[in-house]
Amino acid sequence: QSALTQPASVSGSPGQSITISCTGTSSDVGGYNYVSWYQQHPGKAPKLMIYAVTNRPSGVSDRFSGSKSGNTASLTISGLQAEDEADYYCSSYTSSSTYVFGTGTKVTVL
Amino acid sequence: QVQLQESGPGLVKPSQTLSLTCTVSGASISSGGYYWTWIRQTAEKGLEWIGRLHTSGSTNYNPSLKSRVTISLDTSKNHFSLKLSSVSAADTAVYYCARGDNWYDRFDFWGHGTLVAVSS
Repeated sequence: QSALTQPASVSGSPGQSITISCTGTSSDVGGYNYVSWYQQHPGKAPKLMIYAVTNRPSGVSDRFSGSKSGNTASLTISGLQAEDEADYYCSSYTSSSTYVFGTGTKVTVL
Repeated sequence: QVQLQESGPGLVKPSQTLSLTCTVSGASISSGGYYWTWIRQTAEKGLEWIGRLHTSGSTNYNPSLKSRVTISLDTSKNHFSLKLSSVSAADTAVYYCARGDNWYDRFDFWGHGTLVAVSS
């Protein structure tokens, strides 16, 4: 199974909105509404930010939102803050009853 | 609050078996609806899903690792384990244990991660 494709880096100024894409195939992203997004700060474990494409766990800021169209899922961070600077990974359930992660995106707050 | 903690050797010799344990607190690993999962991370490949085990005993493994991986559960100790055989330098990584669920296929709780190096 191949990793889902994400841009290597995305940047934005405080207060702006940015969007990270996550492209897979009809066997993963396109075939299921089970895409999750994880935030990872250096030296820390990943943290669940979005699940089932659009849902936010309790305690996650509503500045984070998710969507999906076809084989591509997206994570949008609005009102960008310094604390949002981190690596972000998408994940999808697959038709083989396995999971695949994205290649990861480094978000920089300018 | 659910907490997971990985433990095991930080150094394994090539061709040997890597063994890690994940101790769970704040939840019973016998609870239905959850998959106990191992994930690893390297700078080169990023996050890589290794496999999962349901309390029913059903397992799923990454096809690229399937021939070398075993995940098992010890309900009496509320922990689960990973064994990866015939390791090489390519298996050097930070290994995470996590809880997955079968309602939303998300990983909602993670351990802090443990670095395992494969070297002679």
